[in-house]
Amino acid sequence: DVKVTQSSRYLVKRTGEKVFLECVQDMDHENMFWYRQDPGLGLRLIYFSYDVKMKEKGDIPEGYSVSREKKERFSLILESASTNQTSMYLCASSLYGGGSIRSPLHFGNGTRLTVT
Amino acid sequence: ELKVEQNPLFLSMQEGKNYTIYCNYSTTSDRLYWYRQDPGKSLESLFVLLSNGAVKQEGRLMASLDTKARLSTLHITAAVHDLSATYFCAVDRNNDMRFGAGTRLTVKP
Repeated sequence: DVKVTQSSRYLVKRTGEKVFLECVQDMDHENMFWYRQDPGLGLRLIYFSYDVKMKEKGDIPEGYSVSREKKERFSLILESASTNQTSMYLCASSLYGGGSIRSPLHFGNGTRLTVT
Repeated sequence: ELKVEQNPLFLSMQEGKNYTIYCNYSTTSDRLYWYRQDPGKSLESLFVLLSNGAVKQEGRLMASLDTKARLSTLHITAAVHDLSATYFCAVDRNNDMRFGAGTRLTVKP
């Protein structure tokens, strides 16, 4: 089974702090994704990556950056945390299919981030 | 822009009843996914529908895809309490996946 591991389940940070959310997958998947989930808004894509050192903006990239130095690891960075970034953050991975995903996403357990 | 709409957003059912969740999407795609999320947990893949007319069934859940109508349905037969969860449909688009807002299903005894 694919395992996607997020480093923290719960995180509390102060406004203005730099925050790192880490995600590691063990199935050699090319694609990795960061979503945030908010009540009533579903899942919104922040960034995704289809290869090492490659990244693409999703629908809500403002205030975030990402890093993918190794295939198995995809990090989400909040440069200066703000209260409106309080949310559940979900990392996911999938196989690459030559222009489309072609496999379901495998999700981590999520990190619930609170910014005070 | 790809939009994915689910309805209803909230569904309260009696055990033993049947119901259908609908998922409409706005642009051409022949790959549609259904996920389940239990409270406090992450999403798990239920079904992958890869072509027009595809039908997948597992237990009391059956999913179908009509790519011409840009519509997928998730049909629940004789609901049981264990099916209480939030169900998401998703459509892939250029290497990312766009999700519907989710349908929160509650099955009451």
